[in-house]
Amino acid sequence: EAQVTQNPRYLITVTGKKLTVTCSQNMNHEYMSWYRQDPGLGLRQIYYSMNVEVTDKGDVPEGYKVSRKEKRNFPLILESPSPNQTSLYFCASSGGRVRNSPLHFGNGTRLTVT
Amino acid sequence: DQQVKQNSPSLSVQEGRISILNCDYTNSMFDYFLWYKKYPAEGPTFLISISSIKDKNEDGRFTVFLNKSAKHLSLHIVPSQPGDSAVYFCAASESYNAGNMLTFGGGTRLMVKP
Repeated sequence: EAQVTQNPRYLITVTGKKLTVTCSQNMNHEYMSWYRQDPGLGLRQIYYSMNVEVTDKGDVPEGYKVSRKEKRNFPLILESPSPNQTSLYFCASSGGRVRNSPLHFGNGTRLTVT
Repeated sequence: DQQVKQNSPSLSVQEGRISILNCDYTNSMFDYFLWYKKYPAEGPTFLISISSIKDKNEDGRFTVFLNKSAKHLSLHIVPSQPGDSAVYFCAASESYNAGNMLTFGGGTRLMVKP
């Protein structure tokens, strides 16, 4: 089954404790992206990757890091989480431009930073 | 300032009637628009899209209308079914956005009552 898998689904942590949210896709997609969803703001792009070893900032990159060492994996790293990073996070992948190949989303990771 | 806005946070409709979800945008460079549907505890899934060269696109019970002069699009669901109850996100993209980024609205929660 074609899917984007994120782990963990739920995560509660404390300020400053480094964490990683994993994302993997099995569709051989070149493009991967991370979004965060906050009430009333919709989904905002954090980082994206057009291919292996190619990453770039989205709309709200502050406080986040990513890496793309393999095509299928695109982990999101929070080196020193803060309470304003409490949010619902989605990983997504696409086989091309969104007008030709819509984004496929994972089921989300709900992060709480206390 | 949000470039894509969904001014109705929620909408309640009787089963069998029409649901109309609205979306406004401010960026005149947007030329491709999408609607995503999201159920609780799942990621958004692609529903329907429209290019700026069209003013209407239909797929079964779902029709999207685009009014470029008003910078407004709407999603019509006819007839509405209880299984359509979900959060609907409007999204927009520009042709030359290197990040393949979608700009999302804040979402509208649709409730279809049996």
